[in-house]
Amino acid sequence: NAGVTQTPKFQVLKTGQSMTLQCAQDMNHEYMSWYRQDPGMGLRLIHYSVGAGITDQGEVPNGYNVSRSTTEDFPLRLLSAAPSQTSVYFCASSSRAGTQGIYEQYFGPGTRLTVT
Amino acid sequence: AQKVTQAQTEISVVEKEDVTLDCVYETRDTTYYLFWYKQPPSGELVFLIRRNSFDEQNEISGRYSWNFQKSTSSFNFTITASQVVDSAVYFCAGGDSGAGSYQLTFGKGTKLSVIP
Repeated sequence: NAGVTQTPKFQVLKTGQSMTLQCAQDMNHEYMSWYRQDPGMGLRLIHYSVGAGITDQGEVPNGYNVSRSTTEDFPLRLLSAAPSQTSVYFCASSSRAGTQGIYEQYFGPGTRLTVT
Repeated sequence: AQKVTQAQTEISVVEKEDVTLDCVYETRDTTYYLFWYKQPPSGELVFLIRRNSFDEQNEISGRYSWNFQKSTSSFNFTITASQVVDSAVYFCAGGDSGAGSYQLTFGKGTKLSVIP
């Protein structure tokens, strides 16, 4: 059971380049989310998914696309990287808790992205 | 919209001192969930505790204790007899009923430095 895995761990891009950050979980969790962490800002939600084929925007979605074709995978795409997207990106997953309660999110190790 | 306030940006204590980290969660929802995560220098996010808004019992886990007061929406975290290994950034996060499983709002974090 690997939990939540993210690749790559580090990436340097030039302005205008595109790339996909990979996220996978092997816990059969319904929910997956992407956050970005910037110094002094905490974590902010980019996009989330409540199941395969269902995604929605979070607080800071501009410049990012997501899709969820399987329960296990939730890739984050940067179509045209900008220096403002330099950040640490965390993927998280969680399971449905029924009508009462919510479960904690399990976070991946993060991807440190630098856009020059 | 939800808001998490961690008023302390940085705290330094000498080893074996007690330290309390403050957190206030603002939301219109009457049912919500609060979390604490630890981010050590290595960068991963480690789940510490989950608490729901209808349970005001304090919780203790070893040297860690949490005090939730619904009247003030505060969820404070105390480390007793701090150790150098407690040095990390601590994030408080909140989520409303249901959506909180995939849509957390994080505070900006409190950086704790424990000096030997």
